Amino acid sequence: GAVVSQHPSWVICKSGTSVKIECRSLDFQATTMFWYRQFPKQSLMLMATSNEGSKATYEQGVEKDKFLINHASLTLSTLTVTSAHPEDSSFYICSARDRAGYGYTFGSGTRLTVV
Amino acid sequence: GDSVTQMEGPVTLSEEACLTINCTYTATGYPSLFWYVQYPGEGLQLLLKATKADDKGSNKGFEATYRKETTSFHLEKGSVQVSDSAVYFCALSERGYQKVTFGTGTKLQVIP
Repeated sequence: GAVVSQHPSWVICKSGTSVKIECRSLDFQATTMFWYRQFPKQSLMLMATSNEGSKATYEQGVEKDKFLINHASLTLSTLTVTSAHPEDSSFYICSARDRAGYGYTFGSGTRLTVV
Repeated sequence: GDSVTQMEGPVTLSEEACLTINCTYTATGYPSLFWYVQYPGEGLQLLLKATKADDKGSNKGFEATYRKETTSFHLEKGSVQVSDSAVYFCALSERGYQKVTFGTGTKLQVIP
């Protein structure tokens, strides 16, 4: 079945640095990629939606200058957390919709800890 | 807007007990309904889905029936195992839209 590979699975970084998270669709072309953030003991909150070759659409309250999303190809989308702060520590998960639109496949998630 | 409400956890059951996790939804159209499972330290995996009223989704012994009259999609399993311990998310997606709306998740712990 469809697989989305997400890397890294966990990362620890210092305050003020930037972190890039990658999601790759391995055996299908992802026309749309979704980026979610999950706080402890809470549900997934959609941060942004990106379509290949166009700008991402951010949900209300999400800072687009802080969470940079790039979807340059049908198999790769990246989320860069810029100038990270401890409050950015969270679990980030990507999800891709396949070209036929049949379903959503999730990456394994990235645990970001900012110290 | 769309919303999903599911029972709060954690739910603790003994092995081989019956499981029901309630889920109700609010949607403007005719959504597709999903249950996702998240094992410790992992991402979400689709467990089952149903795309129209009265459809029953099933997988790994879990079942859920799309009930339009009660706007519900309760997850059931007749005999849980320790390996079923995870967080379960009910979710919906409106037709023609790309966004998936998730419930808050229900943690299930199965003890031997």
